[in-house]
Amino acid sequence: AQSVTQPDIHITVSEGASLELRCNYSYGATPYLFWYVQSPGQGLQLLLKYFSGDTLVQGIKGFEAEFKRSQSSFNLRKPSVHWSDAAEYFCAVGSNAGNMLTFGGGTRLMVKP
Amino acid sequence: DAGVTQSPTHLIKTRGQQVTLRCSPKSGHDTVSWYQQALGQGPQFIFQYYEEEERQRGNFPDRFSGHQFPNYSSELNVNALLLGDSALYLCASSFGGRGSYEQYFGPGTRLTVT
Repeated sequence: AQSVTQPDIHITVSEGASLELRCNYSYGATPYLFWYVQSPGQGLQLLLKYFSGDTLVQGIKGFEAEFKRSQSSFNLRKPSVHWSDAAEYFCAVGSNAGNMLTFGGGTRLMVKP
Repeated sequence: DAGVTQSPTHLIKTRGQQVTLRCSPKSGHDTVSWYQQALGQGPQFIFQYYEEEERQRGNFPDRFSGHQFPNYSSELNVNALLLGDSALYLCASSFGGRGSYEQYFGPGTRLTVT
């Protein structure tokens, strides 16, 4: 069965600092990987996705993620965090039997001024 | 271009009651998936509808059922509500059934069971 682990429940960074959110997955085949962001009271917005090809993928809002098969990881990065980036971030893996998404538990990002 | 819409935004029900949640997919989408997000957790897949049929189902009891209409909109029904059913219910739409992986989420319906 597929699973996703986000080891960090909360992360606090200063505005302007760099950010890396960790994601580890368990999946038998080539995974379809996603990062979503959720602001309070909102639904999920897709930041970026990896299906195949280049292992470094670019997303919206200046985010990028790198797929590392050897480490079963898909970490999200941003070089300079803005206060508006404060939100909950979810990593997800897609099933090859359809598009059922399995989500991690999320990482709550707080940004200090 | 309207995105995914859900109704109602919030509702409060009593244990044992039944509830119906509604979802309209993004324009051009034909596939609807439902997720349950308990407080402080990631969303969990309930089921997916495509061509008016349930195509995939997660680990949820039969109390959870759904329907998709010819216009691709969908309903989620939950019978015999339990306190543990309190959660944010998210609808996601996509195109092409099992072949599509890019899902767009609605704002959710917050269900509180007392």
